[in-house]
Amino acid sequence: EVKLQQSGDELVRPGASVKMSCKASGYTFTDYAMHWVKQSPGQGLEWIGTIIPLIDTTSYNQKFKGKATLTADKSSNTAYMELSRLTSEDSAVYYCARGVMDAWGQGASVTVSS
Amino acid sequence: DIVMTQGALPNPVPSGESASITCQSSKSLLHSNGKTYLNWYLQRPGQSPQLLIYWMSTRASGVSDRFSGSGSGTDFTLKISSVEAEDVGVYYCQQFLEYPRTFGGGTKLELK
Repeated sequence: EVKLQQSGDELVRPGASVKMSCKASGYTFTDYAMHWVKQSPGQGLEWIGTIIPLIDTTSYNQKFKGKATLTADKSSNTAYMELSRLTSEDSAVYYCARGVMDAWGQGASVTVSS
Repeated sequence: DIVMTQGALPNPVPSGESASITCQSSKSLLHSNGKTYLNWYLQRPGQSPQLLIYWMSTRASGVSDRFSGSGSGTDFTLKISSVEAEDVGVYYCQQFLEYPRTFGGGTKLELK
């Protein structure tokens, strides 16, 4: 069974950074790209970026360049996303999804508050 | 960026009736390989999105045949035949042709 297990919810201070993870199982990690998607409260879906773990290549939505950094650890089958200089606008649920987006993580909520 | 525009549903939809959701892209999603790079997702309340359809008309694994996708290069339709309670949620289209991957704004389906 394909599974993407995301790290837990985070409460972070404005200006801080947060790094979340997405551990893949049930398939060969390097065979698929991994995408990250943002969903702000009560809003739709917004693509942040994609990493191809096999060759460590990334593509970012221009809107998230400088905000999000995508990495992948092939040894642990885990993708990571770090969000920097957090503001209230970054409070959202973040999802990872593989390949053609046929499998999604359960989502990780980030709340930015002092 | 490719802009994806979704239509609304005349909610609520009576149980057992069919429903059609439209999606329009600002650029043709037809690739030179003959595939049209349009996905449909359903996000049920409180859940992660679920892939329903990819390449405009191919059902994802395990998806009911009550769901069908059709369209041209820029105009697409997701049809749900005989709507059931489990179909309630928000439906999104997304283009997979170019970066950035863009989503439509979502179409909510409510059941009567």
